[in-house]
Amino acid sequence: GIQVEQSPPDLILQEGANSTLRCNFSDSVNNLQWFHQNPWGQLINLFYIPSGTKQNGRLSATTVATERYSLLYISSSQTTDSGVYFCAVENTGFQKLVFGTGTRLLVSP
Amino acid sequence: DAGVTQSPTHLIKTRGQQVTLRCSPISGHKSVSWYQQVLGQGPQFIFQYYEKEERGRGNFPDRFSARQFPNYSSELNVNALLLGDSALYLCASSPDNAVAGNTIYFGEGSWLTVV
Repeated sequence: GIQVEQSPPDLILQEGANSTLRCNFSDSVNNLQWFHQNPWGQLINLFYIPSGTKQNGRLSATTVATERYSLLYISSSQTTDSGVYFCAVENTGFQKLVFGTGTRLLVSP
Repeated sequence: DAGVTQSPTHLIKTRGQQVTLRCSPISGHKSVSWYQQVLGQGPQFIFQYYEKEERGRGNFPDRFSARQFPNYSSELNVNALLLGDSALYLCASSPDNAVAGNTIYFGEGSWLTVV
């Protein structure tokens, strides 16, 4: 099956700093989504981005499908950005998301 | 509109027991999926249902089963619980069965502890 790797595994930032999270995947995909999992466990959808670039406030994402990677940019980080960020992809033809290993982000005041 | 809702939010069961978890998708969504997330790992796909039919199954034993009702809500059943079934169980919904162009939304999950 498809492999999804995320880097870095852990990231500690001071409030206000910028960061880039990376997601590499091993095969072509039909769907790619970025999620933020809060400390209570809820997966919050950030972007649906199988290709191209999108921006939403301080967050933006870019997927280069031909090179099989996606990047999530967080600018001017806030303590509420803390949590685990997952990249998830689908390539089976039905709605089975395969999640990456996650990046655990801690933003300190 | 309400998001994906799940119940119960937390529960504790004893080894060997059975558990039923419930999920209501976003209004208008017809596809429901279930995922298991063990502590420290990413979610793992269990099932997808669309129009009351199973459309996909992950690598889980037959102790795991699910169904979808005419109103598109869903139940996940786990029989003969093992300690290793302790996890966060997540339900997700999407508008239809299409893969491309469909954003998948997750509920807050049901935390299951097996003792």
